[in-house]
This record gives sequence, C-alpha cells and structure tokens, in this order.
Amino acid sequence: EPEVTQTPSHQVTQMGQEVILRCVPISNHLYFYWYRQILGQKVEFLVSFYNNEISEKSEIFDDQFSVERPDGSNFTLKIRSTKLEDSAMYFCASRGTYNQPQHFGDGTRLSIL
Amino acid sequence: DQQVKQNSPSLSVQEGRISILNCDYTNSMFDYFLWYKKYPAEGPTFLISISSIKDKNEDGRFTVFLNKSAKHLSLHIVPSQPGDSAVYFCAARNAGGTSYGKLTFGQGTILTVHP
Repeated sequence: EPEVTQTPSHQVTQMGQEVILRCVPISNHLYFYWYRQILGQKVEFLVSFYNNEISEKSEIFDDQFSVERPDGSNFTLKIRSTKLEDSAMYFCASRGTYNQPQHFGDGTRLSIL
Repeated sequence: DQQVKQNSPSLSVQEGRISILNCDYTNSMFDYFLWYKKYPAEGPTFLISISSIKDKNEDGRFTVFLNKSAKHLSLHIVPSQPGDSAVYFCAARNAGGTSYGKLTFGQGTILTVHP
C-alpha cells in the first residue's frame, strides 16, 4: 500500500539554525499538509498546500516557516531560525480527492538545543 | 483549541470485549469525521471515517456512530484484540468555504486491550 515517507526520522539542531524537513507524499495525491505535535499536546494543523501554493495556514505558521514542492515528488517544510519551542514531532500528510482521508507519515522528531 | 475533545485519556478492555471510544465536538461546520490509530514512533494511521450526512459507518470490527444533535461520535471495536492497543485520535474536518480540509484533532485516548 502506498505511504507517505518522511526524512529524517530525528533531527537535532541548534537554536537559530535553519532546518528542512522532507516528505514524499503518496504519488497521485493532490493536497499536502504539515501538522505538529508538541510532547503531551494535541496534533495541530500548520499548513495546507494545493496547486503549488499555500491554501491555508494556522497562526503557528509565521514568517519563520515556509513550504515548497520543489519537484513532482517532494514536499518540504523549512524553519528559518529555529526556537526552543519548535521542538515537536512534525507530521506530513497527503490526500487525493476531497472526501478521501488524509494519510500521514511517521513524522520527524525535531529537537532544538 | 477545544473544538474536538476526547474526555477519556485512557481505556482498558479485556480481549474479546467491546471497546467504545468517545469524542465530542463544538463546531457545527465540521462535515467529516475520522478516527486514527497511532502506535509509538509511528504516524497516525487512518481507521474509519464518517460524513455528517450519515449516522453510522462500519468497516469490519470498527463502527463509527455520529450523533449530530449531540455533537458526539464514538468508535466501537468489536471484538477487541491486544493488537488494537494504541492511541486513538478523533479528528474533524471543517466544511468552511476557504478550508482545504485541515483536520482538528482531539487529545487522544490510550486503549489497552488485555489478553
């Protein structure tokens, strides 16, 4: 069964550094998402991406965050200058048509030191 | 954000019995509800969903019930198996005009099925 893959599984970065989290969505999917889960908290929406542009973003997704689909397969989340509070599990998700469920990757654990 | 709530942090059930996981929501604009299962060190795995125009959806051992007037949904697992032990998340999609399907999650319920 096709799946969403994320790399790396764990990223350790110094505060203030840039980090790029990578995702390969399911190949025929059209809608792409990033979520995060801070330890002990809910999974929360960051951004959705459709037709090569951001379609919706949350308050968390400020100017330090950006997303890109540089080619036909990868979908990346960049954090320009990381802060301690960016430490979380970051999940990528994708779906096909509107009434199909989102499928999630196994996440990247981001640790900011 | 308390739009989706799972009030039971944990549930313990004997193998073979029924597991019932509950979820409440407050936003009337939610039109599609999903249950995900999550094992440690893995991402949420889609289990079953229900559209707001239905009140029940069944898939094998899993049944989801939706009570729109009460803004409540539940997931029934019958019979429960030890392999069902995981965290279960309820999620809801907003039907709002500018929404591209973002999901709002509950806090999760840890299900433990004892042999």
